[in-house]
Amino acid sequence: QVQLQESGPGRVKPSETLSLTCTVSGGSISSYYWSWIRQPPGKGLEWIGFIYFSGSTNYNPSLKSRVTISVDTSKNQFSLKLSSVTAADTAVYYCARMLDRGTYYPLEYWGHGTLVTVSS
Amino acid sequence: SSELTQDSAVSVALGQTVRITCQGDTLRSNYASWYQQKPGQAPLLVIYGKNDRPSGISDRFSGSTSGNTASLTITGAQAEDEADYYCYSRDSSGLHHYVFGTGTKVTVL
Repeated sequence: QVQLQESGPGRVKPSETLSLTCTVSGGSISSYYWSWIRQPPGKGLEWIGFIYFSGSTNYNPSLKSRVTISVDTSKNQFSLKLSSVTAADTAVYYCARMLDRGTYYPLEYWGHGTLVTVSS
Repeated sequence: SSELTQDSAVSVALGQTVRITCQGDTLRSNYASWYQQKPGQAPLLVIYGKNDRPSGISDRFSGSTSGNTASLTITGAQAEDEADYYCYSRDSSGLHHYVFGTGTKVTVL
């Protein structure tokens, strides 16, 4: 069974860069698409972006200028960096594996999520 | 604002049927998938594509699409079905971008 685990600092200061890693176990990171999603406390879900194992990426236009997603196939990990954070970036951050159905890609496996608070 | 609009809350009597809808122009050409989220937990995929269920998901859950509206139906709702439900699909840009619906809180009475 595929499992995903987010890791990284639980607190980031305003204007700094948020960095999270998702470690994949129970399966290879290869041949799949991988996403990051976030959820501010008490609010809905927001898609951040995804990466293919080969390294190609696609980002939410509203976050594109601040987001970088990368992959390390040797470690079976992919990562998220979000720069110039503000309090509005406080959220639970989830990583997920996308199911390739050709023209659509539902999110079939999710990590448990990690809360990141932006505060000085 | 989200391109996918859902009712904020619905309620259903125990054992009855409830339909949750998701509206957006992108649904005319893209499938939605549906996620159940219970408090303090990660979302769980319950329906994707035309009407596919991942392994382990109850057949109480079914999906359909008509025009610009995708629907998730829970037939014979149980207490454990009380949760937030989100739809998800590609956005209308024509690019490989995605968007979540606004979410629906389902209460089982």
